[in-house]
Amino acid sequence: QKEVEQNSGPLSVPEGAIASLNCTYSDRGSQSFFWYRQYSGKSPELIMFIYSNGDKEDGRFTAQLNKASQYVSLLIRDSQPSDSATYLCAVRRGGKLIFGQGTELSVKP
Amino acid sequence: GAGVSQSPSNKVTEKGKDVELRCDPISGHTALYWYRQSLGQGLEFLIYFQGNSAPDKSGLPSDRFSAERTGGSVSTLTIQRTQQEDSAVYLCASSLGLQSYQETQYFGPGTRLLVL
Repeated sequence: QKEVEQNSGPLSVPEGAIASLNCTYSDRGSQSFFWYRQYSGKSPELIMFIYSNGDKEDGRFTAQLNKASQYVSLLIRDSQPSDSATYLCAVRRGGKLIFGQGTELSVKP
Repeated sequence: GAGVSQSPSNKVTEKGKDVELRCDPISGHTALYWYRQSLGQGLEFLIYFQGNSAPDKSGLPSDRFSAERTGGSVSTLTIQRTQQEDSAVYLCASSLGLQSYQETQYFGPGTRLLVL
Protein backbone atom coordinates (compact mmCIF):
# COMPACT_ATOMS: atom_id res chain seq x y z
CA GLN A 1 0.00 0.00 0.00
CA LYS A 2 1.35 3.41 -0.96
CA GLU A 3 1.62 5.99 1.78
CA VAL A 4 -0.47 8.50 -0.15
CA GLU A 5 -2.99 7.32 -2.71
CA GLN A 6 -4.94 9.24 -5.31
CA ASN A 7 -7.05 8.19 -8.25
CA SER A 8 -4.91 8.90 -11.30
CA GLY A 9 -7.88 9.91 -13.41
CA PRO A 10 -8.31 11.51 -15.77
CA LEU A 11 -11.24 13.19 -14.10
CA SER A 12 -13.34 15.07 -16.60
CA VAL A 13 -15.92 17.68 -15.57
CA PRO A 14 -17.84 20.29 -17.55
CA GLU A 15 -17.09 23.96 -17.11
CA GLY A 16 -18.93 25.40 -14.12
CA ALA A 17 -19.26 22.07 -12.31
CA ILE A 18 -17.71 21.02 -9.01
CA ALA A 19 -14.57 18.88 -9.29
CA SER A 20 -13.88 16.56 -6.37
CA LEU A 21 -10.37 15.20 -5.88
CA ASN A 22 -9.67 12.59 -3.24
CA CYS A 23 -6.64 11.36 -1.34
CA THR A 24 -6.07 8.77 1.37
CA TYR A 25 -2.99 8.32 3.53
CA SER A 26 -1.67 5.47 5.61
CA ASP A 27 0.24 7.14 8.48
CA ARG A 28 -2.34 7.94 11.17
CA GLY A 29 0.16 10.28 12.86
CA SER A 30 0.31 12.64 9.89
CA GLN A 31 -0.38 16.23 10.88
CA SER A 32 -0.47 18.40 7.79
CA PHE A 33 -1.70 17.96 4.27
CA PHE A 34 -1.07 19.92 1.12
CA TRP A 35 -2.63 20.27 -2.29
CA TYR A 36 -0.43 21.31 -5.19
CA ARG A 37 -1.43 21.98 -8.78
CA GLN A 38 0.95 21.09 -11.61
CA TYR A 39 0.45 22.19 -15.18
CA SER A 40 2.09 20.08 -17.86
CA GLY A 41 5.81 20.84 -18.06
CA LYS A 42 5.71 23.12 -15.02
CA SER A 43 6.63 22.71 -11.37
CA PRO A 44 4.06 22.17 -8.59
CA GLU A 45 2.42 25.26 -7.13
CA LEU A 46 0.77 25.30 -3.73
CA ILE A 47 -3.01 25.66 -3.67
CA MET A 48 -3.67 25.23 0.04
CA PHE A 49 -2.85 23.25 3.14
CA ILE A 50 -4.98 21.89 5.95
CA TYR A 51 -4.17 20.43 9.35
CA SER A 52 -7.44 20.50 11.33
CA ASN A 53 -10.41 18.21 10.82
CA GLY A 54 -13.16 19.81 8.82
CA ASP A 55 -13.27 22.19 5.90
CA LYS A 56 -10.99 25.02 4.88
CA GLU A 57 -12.12 27.37 2.14
CA ASP A 58 -10.06 29.66 -0.09
CA GLY A 59 -11.95 31.23 -2.97
CA ARG A 60 -13.23 28.48 -5.26
CA PHE A 61 -11.20 25.84 -3.43
CA THR A 62 -12.24 23.87 -0.34
CA ALA A 63 -10.01 21.34 1.36
CA GLN A 64 -11.62 18.75 3.60
CA LEU A 65 -9.81 16.64 6.18
CA ASN A 66 -11.07 13.61 8.09
CA LYS A 67 -8.27 12.21 10.22
CA ALA A 68 -10.38 9.33 11.55
CA SER A 69 -10.88 8.07 8.01
CA GLN A 70 -7.39 9.18 6.91
CA TYR A 71 -8.92 11.03 4.03
CA VAL A 72 -8.35 14.47 2.53
CA SER A 73 -10.12 15.98 -0.43
CA LEU A 74 -10.10 19.08 -2.59
CA LEU A 75 -13.25 20.56 -4.06
CA ILE A 76 -13.06 23.06 -6.90
CA ARG A 77 -16.27 25.01 -7.41
CA ASP A 78 -17.23 26.64 -10.72
CA SER A 79 -14.48 24.71 -12.52
CA GLN A 80 -12.77 26.55 -15.35
CA PRO A 81 -10.77 25.18 -18.32
CA SER A 82 -7.73 26.88 -16.73
CA ASP A 83 -8.12 24.47 -13.78
CA SER A 84 -7.13 21.60 -16.09
CA ALA A 85 -3.94 20.24 -14.53
CA THR A 86 -2.62 17.45 -12.34
CA TYR A 87 -3.45 17.85 -8.66
CA LEU A 88 -0.98 16.43 -6.18
CA CYS A 89 -1.86 15.52 -2.62
CA ALA A 90 1.03 15.57 -0.16
CA VAL A 91 1.42 14.56 3.46
CA ARG A 92 4.14 15.99 5.65
CA ARG A 93 6.30 13.47 7.46
CA GLY A 94 9.15 14.90 9.44
CA GLY A 95 10.64 17.57 7.23
CA LYS A 96 9.64 16.07 3.92
CA LEU A 97 6.51 15.79 1.82
CA ILE A 98 5.23 12.43 0.65
CA PHE A 99 3.28 12.85 -2.57
CA GLY A 100 0.53 10.85 -4.18
CA GLN A 101 0.72 10.02 -7.86
CA GLY A 102 -1.58 12.92 -8.71
CA THR A 103 -5.02 13.17 -10.29
CA GLU A 104 -5.31 14.60 -13.78
CA LEU A 105 -8.27 16.97 -14.06
CA SER A 106 -9.76 18.03 -17.38
CA VAL A 107 -12.40 20.78 -17.44
CA LYS A 108 -14.32 20.79 -20.72
CA PRO A 109 -15.70 24.11 -22.06
CA GLY B 1 10.12 38.70 -4.62
CA ALA B 2 12.25 36.15 -6.39
CA GLY B 3 11.24 32.53 -6.11
CA VAL B 4 13.37 29.41 -6.02
CA SER B 5 15.75 29.31 -8.97
CA GLN B 6 17.47 26.28 -10.46
CA SER B 7 20.14 25.81 -13.07
CA PRO B 8 20.56 24.53 -15.63
CA SER B 9 16.97 24.29 -16.80
CA ASN B 10 17.90 21.42 -19.10
CA LYS B 11 20.87 19.09 -19.11
CA VAL B 12 21.73 16.36 -21.59
CA THR B 13 24.63 14.13 -20.67
CA GLU B 14 26.16 10.83 -21.64
CA LYS B 15 25.93 7.76 -19.50
CA GLY B 16 28.85 7.61 -17.08
CA LYS B 17 29.39 11.38 -16.84
CA ASP B 18 28.98 13.39 -13.64
CA VAL B 19 26.44 16.23 -13.42
CA GLU B 20 25.86 19.06 -10.96
CA LEU B 21 22.49 20.67 -10.43
CA ARG B 22 22.15 23.95 -8.58
CA CYS B 23 19.38 25.40 -6.45
CA ASP B 24 19.07 28.91 -5.06
CA PRO B 25 16.28 29.10 -2.45
CA ILE B 26 13.98 31.99 -1.66
CA SER B 27 15.86 34.60 0.34
CA GLY B 28 15.45 34.01 4.08
CA HIS B 29 14.35 30.39 3.71
CA THR B 30 16.45 28.15 5.92
CA ALA B 31 15.09 24.79 4.77
CA LEU B 32 15.84 23.40 1.30
CA TYR B 33 14.56 20.21 -0.30
CA TRP B 34 15.40 18.12 -3.35
CA TYR B 35 12.81 15.97 -5.10
CA ARG B 36 12.81 13.98 -8.31
CA GLN B 37 9.91 13.50 -10.69
CA SER B 38 9.97 10.83 -13.34
CA LEU B 39 7.33 9.15 -15.44
CA GLY B 40 5.68 6.36 -13.53
CA GLN B 41 7.38 7.27 -10.24
CA GLY B 42 5.64 10.46 -9.32
CA LEU B 43 7.33 13.04 -7.16
CA GLU B 44 9.81 11.46 -4.75
CA PHE B 45 11.80 13.00 -1.93
CA LEU B 46 15.60 12.88 -2.11
CA ILE B 47 17.11 14.97 0.71
CA TYR B 48 16.49 18.08 2.75
CA PHE B 49 18.69 20.62 4.51
CA GLN B 50 18.06 22.72 7.57
CA GLY B 51 20.77 25.32 7.35
CA ASN B 52 23.85 23.49 6.12
CA SER B 53 23.06 20.15 7.72
CA ALA B 54 21.06 17.35 6.12
CA PRO B 55 18.93 15.59 8.77
CA ASP B 56 17.27 13.34 6.23
CA LYS B 57 19.10 11.81 3.26
CA SER B 58 16.84 8.78 3.14
CA GLY B 59 15.57 9.43 -0.36
CA LEU B 60 18.91 9.42 -2.15
CA PRO B 61 18.65 6.36 -4.43
CA SER B 62 22.31 5.35 -4.37
CA ASP B 63 25.76 6.48 -3.27
CA ARG B 64 26.19 8.06 -6.70
CA PHE B 65 23.94 10.86 -5.45
CA SER B 66 25.18 13.50 -3.05
CA ALA B 67 24.19 17.01 -2.10
CA GLU B 68 25.70 19.85 -0.19
CA ARG B 69 24.68 23.27 0.98
CA THR B 70 27.08 25.96 2.02
CA GLY B 71 26.41 29.30 3.64
CA GLY B 72 22.86 28.24 4.38
CA SER B 73 21.82 29.24 0.88
CA VAL B 74 22.73 27.63 -2.45
CA SER B 75 22.67 23.86 -2.74
CA THR B 76 24.26 21.54 -5.28
CA LEU B 77 23.01 18.05 -6.12
CA THR B 78 25.70 15.91 -7.73
CA ILE B 79 25.09 12.70 -9.62
CA GLN B 80 28.21 10.69 -10.38
CA ARG B 81 28.51 8.15 -13.19
CA THR B 82 25.03 8.93 -14.48
CA GLN B 83 22.77 6.12 -15.64
CA GLN B 84 19.80 6.27 -17.99
CA GLU B 85 17.43 5.66 -15.10
CA ASP B 86 18.61 8.95 -13.59
CA SER B 87 16.71 10.80 -16.34
CA ALA B 88 14.04 12.85 -14.60
CA VAL B 89 13.08 16.35 -13.58
CA TYR B 90 14.94 17.36 -10.43
CA LEU B 91 12.95 19.82 -8.35
CA CYS B 92 14.19 21.98 -5.54
CA ALA B 93 11.93 23.56 -2.93
CA SER B 94 12.46 25.82 0.04
CA SER B 95 10.55 26.83 3.15
CA LEU B 96 11.03 29.35 5.94
CA GLY B 97 12.07 26.61 8.34
CA LEU B 98 10.99 23.39 9.96
CA GLN B 99 9.61 24.68 13.24
CA SER B 100 5.98 24.31 12.36
CA TYR B 101 4.10 21.46 10.73
CA GLN B 102 2.37 24.21 8.79
CA GLU B 103 5.52 25.14 6.93
CA THR B 104 4.85 25.26 3.21
CA GLN B 105 7.34 24.35 0.53
CA TYR B 106 7.70 26.41 -2.64
CA PHE B 107 9.11 24.75 -5.70
CA GLY B 108 11.57 25.97 -8.29
CA PRO B 109 11.14 25.40 -12.04
CA GLY B 110 13.22 22.22 -12.03
CA THR B 111 16.15 20.84 -14.01
CA ARG B 112 15.24 18.39 -16.74
CA LEU B 113 18.02 15.79 -16.93
CA LEU B 114 18.36 13.42 -19.86
CA VAL B 115 21.02 10.73 -19.76
CA LEU B 116 21.78 9.23 -23.17
